[in-house]
Parts: sequence; C-alpha cells; structure tokens
Amino acid sequence: DAGITQSPRHKVTETGTPVTLRCHQTENHRYMYWYRQDPGHGLRLIHYSYGVKDTDKGEVSDGYSVSRSKTEDFLLTLESATSSQTSVYFCATGGGPLTQTSNQPQHFGDGTRLSIL
Amino acid sequence: KQEVTQIPAALSVPEGENLVLNCSFTDSAIYNLQWFRQDPGKGLTSLLLIQSSQREQTSGRLNASLDKSSGRSTLYIAASQPGDSATYLCAVLVGAQKLVFGQGTRLTINP
Repeated sequence: DAGITQSPRHKVTETGTPVTLRCHQTENHRYMYWYRQDPGHGLRLIHYSYGVKDTDKGEVSDGYSVSRSKTEDFLLTLESATSSQTSVYFCATGGGPLTQTSNQPQHFGDGTRLSIL
Repeated sequence: KQEVTQIPAALSVPEGENLVLNCSFTDSAIYNLQWFRQDPGKGLTSLLLIQSSQREQTSGRLNASLDKSSGRSTLYIAASQPGDSATYLCAVLVGAQKLVFGQGTRLTINP
C-alpha cells in the first residue's frame, strides 16, 4: 500500500473537547485528504491539501481545521467536538509525488473510529 | 453538484456466479472513475481506475466499463468467490483531484 498510518485508531472523548487526528504517509504523495464515513452518507470529503501549507475545504468542512507543515503529515483538528462528529475518519493520499495527475488512484489509511459522548 | 449512485445497496449470490455492480453519476465532467473495495473495519483498496477517455479496464476476474456520456459504469466480477465478499464503492474524480463517492454495494458471496 501507500504507507499511510492514521493515529489514533480509536478515540472516545467528550463534547466540547479538542481532538486532533494524525495522518502520516511515506510515499511522498502531493495530495492528502480527510474523509468521514457515515451510514447513509457514504464517504464525504472534509478538507484536502495539495502541498505543504496549501489546503482547501471539502464538502463538510464546518467544525474542522487542518494543517500540513510537512509533506508526510496531515492533521485534522476538531476545535470543540460535537456528537454529530462521531464518525469513522479516513485519510487518503494521491496525485503521485509532486505531480498533478489523474491517472493514479487514491490510497487510504485504515481509519480512525471517533466517538464523542 | 456531482452525485454518484450505486444500485443495488446489497447483493447476495452463490459462489461461482458472474455478477455486475452498477454505478451512475450525474455530471459527465469527470477526470476518471475509480472502483474500490472495503472490508469491514478497514480502509479502501483501489481495484480499478478508468480514465475519462477510456471505455474499460481489466484486472484478473474484474472488468470495469465506463460510458461517460450516459453517466454509467459497471463492475463485472467473474466466477465469484467467498473472498470477494466486501463493500464495493465507486467514485468519480472531479476538479482539484477530489473524489465523489457512491454509498456502495455490500456484496455477499455464499459458499
């Protein structure tokens, strides 16, 4: 696989607390993505990055922020977690190393299961 | 807004059968279409990628077709096996390297 590690794999926290999820890749892919997967909604894009310090919003970005200070790391932060953010979060990479191409598939991590009580 | 639909939501067939999974999308302005497999509790594994200029791609027992003008793709699985049981997702690549996903077809192959 593309060598994507998500941490933590599971987390339970309380409403109102800040939460940070980490995605680490070893393939030097240019693009990195955060998705959430929910029953009835499928996978939806939260934020993505097209380079170090270059990020943009996806379909469901409200309540989330991201940062990418190094090519290999992409962080997703919930500033003040709410119960509606209980979900499985997936990180993905793509686009090849330092290229913008549509001929390579995205690669996914194994997900972080986040429960907010 | 691009929307991707997969029908059926679930499918159960006996081992050895050939089967077809369907995917439709509302906007033909796509860069490519990708089929993924997801096992319970796991991430997505890429199966096939079809560029917008291509009509089909094959990998082993899998064949995916793309009709961009009609907004349809099919994933054909030949000689199904119990190990093929999983959820299959299709997704289209739109601007800025973003994928829009369908909700998936949960496939069960019965021995």
